[in-house]
Amino acid sequence: QSALTQPASESGSPGQSITISCTGTSSDIGAYNYVSWYQQHPGKAPKLMIYDVSNRPSGLSNRFSGSKSGNTASLTISGLQAEDEADYYCSSHTSSSSIIFGGGTRLTVL
Amino acid sequence: QVQLQESGPGLVKPSETLSLTCAVSGYSISSGYFSGWIRQPPGKGLEWIGSISHSGTTYYNPSLKSRLTISVDTSKNQFSLNLRSVTAADTAMYYCARDQRSSSDYWGQGILVSVSS
Repeated sequence: QSALTQPASESGSPGQSITISCTGTSSDIGAYNYVSWYQQHPGKAPKLMIYDVSNRPSGLSNRFSGSKSGNTASLTISGLQAEDEADYYCSSHTSSSSIIFGGGTRLTVL
Repeated sequence: QVQLQESGPGLVKPSETLSLTCAVSGYSISSGYFSGWIRQPPGKGLEWIGSISHSGTTYYNPSLKSRLTISVDTSKNQFSLNLRSVTAADTAMYYCARDQRSSSDYWGQGILVSVSS
């Protein structure tokens, strides 16, 4: 199974909104509402930001939102802040009862 | 609070078996959560390894399935990973995590395992 496709990098200025895409197939993203997004700062473990396409864990900022259309999921970060600079990974449940990750997107806050 | 802690050798020889354990605190594995393993080669992205239910039902990455065993010990509130016949390509940071449906909501700090003679 090939990794989900994410842009290698994205950037934005403080206060702006950015959207990171994650493209899969009809056997993963397109088939299930089990898309998650993780944030990873250098040297740290990943942190769950979005689960089940659009749900935020308790206590997480509502600046982070998720959506899905067909085989593509998206993570939107509004009101970009310096601390949002990190790597972001999407993941999805698959038809083989496994989990597949995206290759990761490095977000730079200019 | 929920905590997960990986333990095991940081160096494994090629062709040998990589064995890691994840000790869980702050919740009971028996309460219905899945327990998962994820790895990240240096400078690269995340790769899902597999997960196990409290009753022992396992789900594995198809690319690792032939070399992989994940087990759970509910009496010790911990779960383990055994990866056989390792090569340099298995060098990575290994994370354990608590899984809910298909997401991992709590992660260990990770343990770096190098495969080298």
